[in-house]
Amino acid sequence: TQLLEQSPQFLSIQEGENLTVYCNSSSVFSSLQWYRQEPGEGPVLLVTVVTGGEVKKLKRLTFQFGDARKDSSLHITAAQPGDTGLYLCAGVPDYKLSFGAGTTVTVRA
Amino acid sequence: DVKVTQSSRYLVKRTGEKVFLECVQDMDHENMFWYRQDPGLGLRLIYFSYDVKMKEKGDIPEGYSVSREKKERFSLILESASTNQTSMYLCASSLPGTGDLAQHFGDGTRLSIL
Repeated sequence: TQLLEQSPQFLSIQEGENLTVYCNSSSVFSSLQWYRQEPGEGPVLLVTVVTGGEVKKLKRLTFQFGDARKDSSLHITAAQPGDTGLYLCAGVPDYKLSFGAGTTVTVRA
Repeated sequence: DVKVTQSSRYLVKRTGEKVFLECVQDMDHENMFWYRQDPGLGLRLIYFSYDVKMKEKGDIPEGYSVSREKKERFSLILESASTNQTSMYLCASSLPGTGDLAQHFGDGTRLSIL
């Protein structure tokens, strides 16, 4: 059983549409990280959220940390083909990082 | 920028072979990690190391061992490869401290065991 549940598992949208990816857990995290992994490469850190209710923006990407620090979401506005990739959330329930299974996002031109 | 280099992008080995996966980082990071990545399962931690000659088991250490003789190098060893160890293997490094520090990943080694 995954400590961090991500949904949906797959998402395919047209360029210009919006999308939201969710990361949920029954555990409380001191912080959550979001990574993006492009085909043939390792994951790259996008953002770390540390405060309950926090919202961070990275260009067209908006990250939110739940008030109870058990969940997070990633919203992409006006998606572009360059946003295609595997999005992974990760958190530290004890002393080491645990990853969700990821959401594969495909943005069609 | 941190550079984490994994020695092979693709590797094909036979069952029963002893397999070595090498990882080198150039940013003097204390922490190094080995993960395997399988579809639908995300990244699962095999072993990690907080210092030279130090190692700790992760969530799935069975069938694997590691070696860290130098700070910049962390090796993953499959003692006797089996087909269920066919996977993508990712190495990562980070600064010392708690687990919520950013991890920097290599591009992975896709290992096939025949």
